[in-house]
Amino acid sequence: AQSVSQHNHHVILSEAASLELGCNYSYGGTVNLFWYVQYPGQHLQLLLKYFSGDPLVKGIKGFEAEFIKSKFSFNLRKPSVQWSDTAEYFCAVRFLGAGGYNKLIFGAGTRLAVHP
Amino acid sequence: EAQVTQNPRYLITVTGKKLTVTCSQNMNHEYMSWYRQDPGLGLRQIYYSMNVEVTDKGDVPEGYKVSRKEKRNFPLILESPSPNQTSLYFCASSSTGSGYTFGSGTRLTVV
Repeated sequence: AQSVSQHNHHVILSEAASLELGCNYSYGGTVNLFWYVQYPGQHLQLLLKYFSGDPLVKGIKGFEAEFIKSKFSFNLRKPSVQWSDTAEYFCAVRFLGAGGYNKLIFGAGTRLAVHP
Repeated sequence: EAQVTQNPRYLITVTGKKLTVTCSQNMNHEYMSWYRQDPGLGLRQIYYSMNVEVTDKGDVPEGYKVSRKEKRNFPLILESPSPNQTSLYFCASSSTGSGYTFGSGTRLTVV
């Protein structure tokens, strides 16, 4: 079955610390990969996405992610977090199949708290 | 502006009273879907539609219905809401080769 796992449910960091959030998926076929952020009380915003090409993807707000196909992983990184990065982060994978089949599955999310 | 519009944003209702949450997109996307978000569970897919008149169950379809009579609209219907359907609901749309655009969410409370 297709699934998406996020390794950390809660992360607490101080400002200027580096961030890495893990995401793994189970599926051997074609996938598109996404990271979304949800600030308190708001809807989902796309941070970055990977469809093909360079496996190192740069997104908004200084975030980047690396797709490692052999590890079925798409980890999110930021070199230096800010208090304003406090939010919940969701990894999502679109699984593609024959006949136009596509299904977007989310990980359970990681709550990031950044302390000044 | 390209967007997905959900209504209402907030809704409190009583058990058993039928309700509809509307979703409309202006991007001519083929694919639309509904998710519910619950703490610790992320977003789970309720139903999705790959095009007009084509809908299918997601992971948690029980207690919900959908229809896709027009490309732009994908309403979510709760025929007889129950308290376990209290949740935050998101509608999303996409097309081949594009990312997903999400609506602003509908916070539903069933008492």
